[in-house]
Amino acid sequence: KNEVEQSPQNLTAQEGEFITINCSYSVGISALHWLQQHPGGGIVSLFMLSSGKKKHGRLIATINIQEKHSSLHITASHPRDSAVYICAVGGGSQGNLIFGKGTKLSVKP
Amino acid sequence: NAGVTQTPKFQVLKTGQSMTLQCAQDMNHEYMSWYRQDPGMGLRLIHYSVGAGITDQGEVPNGYNVSRSTTEDFPLRLLSAAPSQTSVYFCASRHGGENTEAFFGQGTRLTVV
Repeated sequence: KNEVEQSPQNLTAQEGEFITINCSYSVGISALHWLQQHPGGGIVSLFMLSSGKKKHGRLIATINIQEKHSSLHITASHPRDSAVYICAVGGGSQGNLIFGKGTKLSVKP
Repeated sequence: NAGVTQTPKFQVLKTGQSMTLQCAQDMNHEYMSWYRQDPGMGLRLIHYSVGAGITDQGEVPNGYNVSRSTTEDFPLRLLSAAPSQTSVYFCASRHGGENTEAFFGQGTRLTVV
């Protein structure tokens, strides 16, 4: 069993839709990271959280430590949100990150 | 503020050739790491360093060497390239400690033929 599971693997949405990407993990963690990777591009950190909820613009990340689950929400989605969203948890040896396989989001105009 | 600078962006190697992927950060981060990204898999840790002069193996270290002579630089060396090393490579850095934000380079797309 993978230590970090993301769902869905692929997601297609229409512009303006509310989007949810889920991340479940099976290990004890110190923090959870949400990352964004545009096609052919680098990886950018969106959020790092260890409890509760964080909001940045149209993006909201939540985490439930007891249930070992996090969600990334995108409100009023836009084609420029099209990217791969990666969940990673910190807590491995030396605080190394363990990554999910990513969720590929495509937002159609 | 340059952040994490990774070079080259693209590289094609012949089997058996060697090369070095460069990674430099200007944020005085203690922790640096190298990952490879392959289709259908999450990023996998190759090697990491918690400070100058200290390196350790990650999940997939075979075929790769690293060194950390300065805080800023963390090069990744492929000693004898193999087709199985065709991948996208990312360097990352962060401050020491567990709850710190990670910063990534732009990636190197390596093809070994």
